[in-house]
Amino acid sequence: QSALTQPASVSGSPGQSITISCTGTSSDVGSYNRVSWYQQHPGKAPKVMIYEVSKRPSGVSNRFSGSKSGNTASLTISGLQAEDEADYYCCSYAGSSTFVVFGGGTKLTVL
Amino acid sequence: QVQLVESGGGLVKPGGSLRLSCAASGFTFSDYYMNWIRQAPGKGLEWVSYIRGSSSNIHYADSVKGRFTISRDNAKNSLYLQMNSLSAEDTAVYYCARAGHDSGGYEAHFDYWGQGTLVTVSS
Repeated sequence: QSALTQPASVSGSPGQSITISCTGTSSDVGSYNRVSWYQQHPGKAPKVMIYEVSKRPSGVSNRFSGSKSGNTASLTISGLQAEDEADYYCCSYAGSSTFVVFGGGTKLTVL
Repeated sequence: QVQLVESGGGLVKPGGSLRLSCAASGFTFSDYYMNWIRQAPGKGLEWVSYIRGSSSNIHYADSVKGRFTISRDNAKNSLYLQMNSLSAEDTAVYYCARAGHDSGGYEAHFDYWGQGTLVTVSS
């Protein structure tokens, strides 16, 4: 069982928006603005899409955005495109005992 | 450009050992935290360990503590993971991943990843 809870799957049609939630605790997501999101296509390495809750690395589309409220972080993808179909993982710093926790991953299907 | 290339994976028997390597290029290796992160077949990501640029800070996930040892050779721009007492639960693709600059605190933000190396523990 993963430390952070994500829905197993979400889906949307091209052009629509979807949001993936990531629920942690006051020991990780709730305590630190060090939440990141990773996109992983089959057989490929993960790629960072969002870091520090809402920052976008250079080269990542502005269709990807992140937010946090309390112990829950969220990734929103607007204007869904076929290439967005992938697995998405959230990650949080969890303090100087556990250090890093990941979510179990969410499979995004673009219908 | 930043490149991370893992090697050393393979098939090993339960109880055996294996040493993974990660060759880094395209950045000042000694300036960055480095990590090992693994993914069991069909499963999610699991952080394994990190090491500070100067090797002054090293930490492990509880699942590997006492069995795995992370190290680095900044002169060779290389990261290592010595894995001992392996079990079937250690079967996974192992990724090396760069984290933040060594001048700051550890941030658990992985900006570059290697392609991974598969470790299979089976008799």
